Amino acid sequence: AQSVTQPDIHITVSEGASLELRCNYSYGATPYLFWYVQSPGQGLQLLLKYFSGDTLVQGIKGFEAEFKRSQSSFNLRKPSVHWSDAAEYFCAVVPYNNNDMRFGAGTRLTVKP
Amino acid sequence: EAGVTQFPSHSVIEKGQTVTLRCDPISGHDNLYWYRRVMGKEIKFLLHFVKESKQDESGMPNNRFLAERTGGTYSTLKVQPAELEDSGVYFCASSPGGSGIRGGEQFFGPGTRLTVL
Repeated sequence: AQSVTQPDIHITVSEGASLELRCNYSYGATPYLFWYVQSPGQGLQLLLKYFSGDTLVQGIKGFEAEFKRSQSSFNLRKPSVHWSDAAEYFCAVVPYNNNDMRFGAGTRLTVKP
Repeated sequence: EAGVTQFPSHSVIEKGQTVTLRCDPISGHDNLYWYRRVMGKEIKFLLHFVKESKQDESGMPNNRFLAERTGGTYSTLKVQPAELEDSGVYFCASSPGGSGIRGGEQFFGPGTRLTVL
């Protein structure tokens, strides 16, 4: 079945530590790929997106993601986490054959001082 | 430029009552989307408007949900009668252009948290 999987429901990292949030998708053809962040009381904000081309995508707030076709993954990374990065992160895809955006279940990030 | 706004931010109603959620997209955005996140589950697509027309409503859970976008500006999502399982956060998003998601970023509102008791 077609799906978007974020295997980590909750991650805690120390401020200044590196971060990697995992996302895997299951679709016949490579979909369009997105990462969104939701801070408390805010809407979903786009961090970055991948449509084609360079598989390492740079986003806002120092985030990057790497598309790996062989692993059907689009993991989000940040070399040094800041306390303000505490939020919930959603991986999303738009399948190749339609316009519906489909989300993973989300990963909640806690940042320890 | 104002972002996507949603009203109300919270709504608490009893089972069987009616609730109407409103979404004001970014001015000039032809595409408007509704999504829902039920507690602990993923965000799910409900429907997509292009201007005032429903492009795709395949995600609407049942006929208790009615979405409208009169004049192609703001949209309303009515739940009538509400059931317990309708509780969740309802997100609205908009994007420019008339061709849907491809090539465009969806801008999301803060959501409306609906609680059905």
